[in-house]
Amino acid sequence: KQEVTQIPAALSVPEGENLVLNCSFTDSAIYNLQWFRQDPGKGLTSLLLIQSSQREQTSGRLNASLDKSSGRSTLYIAASQPGDSATYLCAVRNTGGFKTIFGAGTRLFVKA
Amino acid sequence: DADVTQTPRNRITKTGKRIMLECSQTKGHDRMYWYRQDPGLGLRLIYYSFDVKDINKGEISDGYSVSRQAQAKFSLSLESAIPNQTALYFCATSGPNERESYNEQFFGPGTRLTVL
Repeated sequence: KQEVTQIPAALSVPEGENLVLNCSFTDSAIYNLQWFRQDPGKGLTSLLLIQSSQREQTSGRLNASLDKSSGRSTLYIAASQPGDSATYLCAVRNTGGFKTIFGAGTRLFVKA
Repeated sequence: DADVTQTPRNRITKTGKRIMLECSQTKGHDRMYWYRQDPGLGLRLIYYSFDVKDINKGEISDGYSVSRQAQAKFSLSLESAIPNQTALYFCATSGPNERESYNEQFFGPGTRLTVL
């Protein structure tokens, strides 16, 4: 059974710092991995989608990497800003099915 | 306008009441999903539908039912609400097939349900 873990559960950093959020999964037979952002009272916004055949995806200040063999993905945020404060969720979709398993998220707070 | 909408956005109800949460999408996607989110937990799948005639249970379907009224509409019902169904509920959609869209999921804004 696929399990997705995100560490840390919460993170506070000063503005301008580069940071890494971690996601680990137990079953390497994945179809894709998706990173989301969730703001309080709002839905999930898709940030990056990495297919199983890819190693990384980039969008602006965000870079997501995928290492299937070790069951890990990282979301790198460069030059963090207060507007980056949100909860970041990692979600894994396994091969042979459509179900997506979510991690519990990392709550990020960027201090001005 | 939002691609995936949910109504209501907030609802407070009492134990034993029947509640319906509605989801509509303009993305033209075939697949629709209902999830619930509890504090400290990831999203968990309640029900999913691949098309109008296809309904499937997710990992936590007990106490819930769904209706796919049209390709663009997917409703979630709580026949007799109980307090442990207090949660944030999300509707999501994904594209028509794997070759075209890679099944990236798109979420609605959520419905916060409180059962007293």
